[in-house]
Amino acid sequence: NAGVTQTPKFQVLKTGQSMTLQCAQDMNHNSMYWYRQDPGMGLRLIYYSASEGTTDKGEVPNGYNVSRLNKREFSLRLESAAPSQTSVYFCASSEYSPLHFGNGTRLTVT
Amino acid sequence: KNQVEQSPQSLIILEGKNCTLQCNYTVSPFSNLRWYKQDTGRGPVSLTIMTFSENTKSNGRYTATLDADTKQSSLHITASQLSDSASYICVVSDGSQAGTALIFGKGTTLSVSS
Repeated sequence: NAGVTQTPKFQVLKTGQSMTLQCAQDMNHNSMYWYRQDPGMGLRLIYYSASEGTTDKGEVPNGYNVSRLNKREFSLRLESAAPSQTSVYFCASSEYSPLHFGNGTRLTVT
Repeated sequence: KNQVEQSPQSLIILEGKNCTLQCNYTVSPFSNLRWYKQDTGRGPVSLTIMTFSENTKSNGRYTATLDADTKQSSLHITASQLSDSASYICVVSDGSQAGTALIFGKGTTLSVSS
């Protein structure tokens, strides 16, 4: 049982480049989330999807877009990466509680 | 503003010793409180979940307490092991169905040394 799988694990981008972070869960959960984690700060919600076909903004959505491709997959896209988006990105899923997290994508924007 | 404050920010203890981590919150309304453990380079993993009516919940050597009146929770680790070295995150839910219902603390980094 893989749980929540994120790809890639590491990525280095140059300012202005674009990329998509992939997330898939095999627990048949309706809700999926994207968080970012920065040193000295708690996890901050970027976007979430309460169910297939719906997405909503979280606390820090600027500079990001998401797609809930199907019940299993929820992707996060950076259209024009900025150094301020250097962070660790976590995808999570849940069915009521608790959250199940992937192991993160470590993104560096130079 | 809904907030979750954790203390201490970091802690170093010797293997075999006990320790207690603190979480104070100002989230309203309150639905439940969760403690997560995050190993270095990994995603957080749930340890315990407590609702308003629960005062204590244990998970092996981890015991969480909740005082809903004072809006405080603690996580007590007994007979610490090297594998307990991690960040411990307190998360409070306001009970809404929105994805924004969860408010995260910044975590306490615990280092257990031999």
